[in-house]
Amino acid sequence: KAGVTQTPRYLIKTRGQQVTLSCSPISGHRSVSWYQQTPGQGLQFLFEYFSETQRNKGNFPGRFSGRQFSNSRSEMNVSTLELGDSALYLCASSLGLQGDYEQYFGPGTRLTVT
Amino acid sequence: AQKVTQAQTEISVVEKEDVTLDCVYETRDTTYYLFWYKQPPSGELVFLIRRNSFDEQNEISGRYSWNFQKSTSSFNFTITASQVVDSAVYFCALSVKEYGNKLVFGAGTILRVKS
Repeated sequence: KAGVTQTPRYLIKTRGQQVTLSCSPISGHRSVSWYQQTPGQGLQFLFEYFSETQRNKGNFPGRFSGRQFSNSRSEMNVSTLELGDSALYLCASSLGLQGDYEQYFGPGTRLTVT
Repeated sequence: AQKVTQAQTEISVVEKEDVTLDCVYETRDTTYYLFWYKQPPSGELVFLIRRNSFDEQNEISGRYSWNFQKSTSSFNFTITASQVVDSAVYFCALSVKEYGNKLVFGAGTILRVKS
């Protein structure tokens, strides 16, 4: 079974631009969560989608948004990029919603904002 | 609020030594889940184990073992006979039923295994 895939793997953007990252979950998984990893803040939860609905949201500004499609693939968008948005963005997929299933992570998208 | 503390920032051991990574968690919820992940230099988080709050049985998987103690809110991870390939950052994480799959991570422990 294929794992979680994320595209692109690396991205360089300029301040003020916007970016869209994509995540394809493991086949059959309906939950997709997004995390931001930085050296200073560690791993922080952005949001979770299940059956095309946002179920949980972390403490990030409205510039960070996401969506999920009917095939469970998910995208996250960051508008008006800031230098501090440089990070590794990881997505995770799971069969269910309640935490009683394993969560598997993708390889991440490394975003650099200059 | 939920919180995970990994007090050990970095641990260095020599190959074949045993090493224990500590994890202390805080939550008021009675239903919660604990996880350990490994992050090698490639960056991907590799799932190691999931435990729910009602199952305090210790688990052993090859050279890996986990000790879950609700009385001390700890979920420690031991690697027996460490190998160079075990070098990575290890994260302990917590989720509670109320917030679905949202994981609260500890700061991570860098494990360096020297040959």
